Amino acid sequence: DIVMTQTPLSLSVTPGQPASISCKSSQSLLDSDGKTYFFWYLQKPGQSPQLLIYEASNRFSGVPDRFSGSGSGTDFTLQISRVEAEDVGLYYCMQGIQLPWTFGQGTKVEIK
Amino acid sequence: EEQLVESGGGLVQPGGSLRLSCVASGFTFSSYWMTWVRQAPGKGLEWVANINQDGSHTQYVDSVKGRFTISKDNAKNSLYLQMNSLRVEDTAVYYCARPPARRFDLWGRGTLVTVSS
Repeated sequence: DIVMTQTPLSLSVTPGQPASISCKSSQSLLDSDGKTYFFWYLQKPGQSPQLLIYEASNRFSGVPDRFSGSGSGTDFTLQISRVEAEDVGLYYCMQGIQLPWTFGQGTKVEIK
Repeated sequence: EEQLVESGGGLVQPGGSLRLSCVASGFTFSSYWMTWVRQAPGKGLEWVANINQDGSHTQYVDSVKGRFTISKDNAKNSLYLQMNSLRVEDTAVYYCARPPARRFDLWGRGTLVTVSS
């Protein structure tokens, strides 16, 4: 199985400041179709997960532009340019190139 | 509005069975693969199973193979997860999700399954 490793596992951020989460996969997520099957999700407290970023760098519909995704192959980053109070929750990375699809452990983001 | 609503969770003894349902609305259910994802209490997310548009092709995580069966009824806009031989470690919130191009763009609110004696 592909192992997804997130760092850090927790993050405390002052509102208005940037934040960054890293995710490394144990295998390349670049498929033969040219797509990179890597995703970021946010699970706000008490809610279901929601899609933020798909194919490593594409912001999903309705996601604020302060969220951006980058990376390729096995190394990926989610950046929040200016953290807001509504951004608190658990952030998960996920790979969809090989079954079983697997998630990272999650990164808890809280506001200082 | 596109929506997924799960039901069927509850308390069951180890070795028991449970059938989860997920009703879809607001989109053409028959055109999509569908997925079950679970989250144990205080833990991360785990993909459980996929099913293709017409139900002819299914995929499972190894830990549930032979015990869980995913199915869908396009006439009823419904997704199911039949869970047999349940174990304590199957305790989790079970979410149904829609995975176009392998990205989960729509999630239900989940249903809690507790396996305990």
